[in-house]
Amino acid sequence: EEQLVESGGGLVQPGGSLRLSCAASGFTLSTYWMHWVRQAPGKGLVWVSRIKGDGSGITYADSVKGRFTISRDNAKNTLYLQMNSLTAEDTAVYYCARVPAGYFGYMDVWGKGTTVTVSS
Amino acid sequence: QSALTQPASVSGSPGQSISISCTGASSDVGGYNHVSWYQQYPGKAPKFMIYDVNKRPSGVSDRFSGSKSGNTASLTISGLQAEDEADYYCSSYTTSSTWVFGGGTKLTVL
Repeated sequence: EEQLVESGGGLVQPGGSLRLSCAASGFTLSTYWMHWVRQAPGKGLVWVSRIKGDGSGITYADSVKGRFTISRDNAKNTLYLQMNSLTAEDTAVYYCARVPAGYFGYMDVWGKGTTVTVSS
Repeated sequence: QSALTQPASVSGSPGQSISISCTGASSDVGGYNHVSWYQQYPGKAPKFMIYDVNKRPSGVSDRFSGSKSGNTASLTISGLQAEDEADYYCSSYTTSSTWVFGGGTKLTVL
């Protein structure tokens, strides 16, 4: 079964940092574009960042540009999101999602999410 | 990167049809056919329902269909069933090489 499992979430103080991981199983991560999407409590989905299979093609939402860094280790079949200078507005469930091979504009496999809470 | 505009809520009775609109701009919905729709139950991850405006993946009921006119995309659900009650989100690629989601629509089956 093709699966994504996020980890690394938790409680962090404002101004702090956190690194999220997204482990893929059942498929080879290097073949796929990958995204991070977040959802604040009671709010809608918000796109965060994306990265191509070879690590190129990186783009970010304006709200996280300069603070978040997306990366991947295809040897470990894992996607990452390094989050720095966190604020309360970054509090959300963070999902990683896959773009199917040969396609571009949608995400077919999603993880269950990991919760990030930024609070003092 | 403003969110695409969706109605906050829609409702319908079992067996009826409903449509959810998703309005953007020429820089996103109107400029590309990379519009997709996702269904989300409370506390669960999103599930993709429609891609490239009107394509339906295998396993998704043919009661779900998508369309687009200008800067507005729409998701139509026919023959409403109780299990369709969920939140629905549209998404589009943008000229900035980013993606944008709609604010989400809560579907209530009366």
